[in-house]
Amino acid sequence: GEDVEQSLFLSVREGDSSVINCTYTDSSSTYLYWYKQEPGAGLQLLTYIFSNMDMKQDQRLTVLLNKKDKHLSLRIADTQTGDSAIYFCAESLTGYSTLTFGKGTMLLVSP
Amino acid sequence: NAGVTQTPKFQVLKTGQSMTLQCAQDMNHNSMYWYRQDPGMGLRLIYYSASEGTTDKGEVPNGYNVSRLNKREFSLRLESAAPSQTSVYFCASTDRSPYEQYFGPGTRLTVT
Repeated sequence: GEDVEQSLFLSVREGDSSVINCTYTDSSSTYLYWYKQEPGAGLQLLTYIFSNMDMKQDQRLTVLLNKKDKHLSLRIADTQTGDSAIYFCAESLTGYSTLTFGKGTMLLVSP
Repeated sequence: NAGVTQTPKFQVLKTGQSMTLQCAQDMNHNSMYWYRQDPGMGLRLIYYSASEGTTDKGEVPNGYNVSRLNKREFSLRLESAAPSQTSVYFCASTDRSPYEQYFGPGTRLTVT
């Protein structure tokens, strides 16, 4: 079955890099996503990666995918206090539009 | 272009009462979803509608019903609310691959 797992909490200082990790179990994943949820708000897509890619970079965000180990990571360079939020990893399977979400990683950035 | 809207934003119900959560999207998306979010549980899919006229159960459908009223609107009904249904409810929509889901702002429901 599908399962997406993430560590629950990460604390960093402003200006440092943050790395949020995720593991998934289903090898037929098509896309893997990172969503951000700010307090009191809905989820917003940050980025996604197709399963045949190893890496995707978008400004301060770098996504790394290790398909062999079913491991996905999100690196945020020069982390700012405005990056404090909950980050969700999610996967979709071939032919399906439904997503399976991890439980979320709370990122706390201190000045 | 409002994206995904949800009403109400907040609601308090007594056990046994019923209510309908409304969701609408103006992006002409085919697929719509209802999730609930509970502390430490992430997002769990309640029901979804892959296209107008179809609905399917998700991971946690018990105690809920849905209606895909038209392409824009997808409602979630609690017939007899229970305290276990206290949660934040999110509606989302998407169209084609890569199936980026757009989320509404959420409805915070408390059942006493």
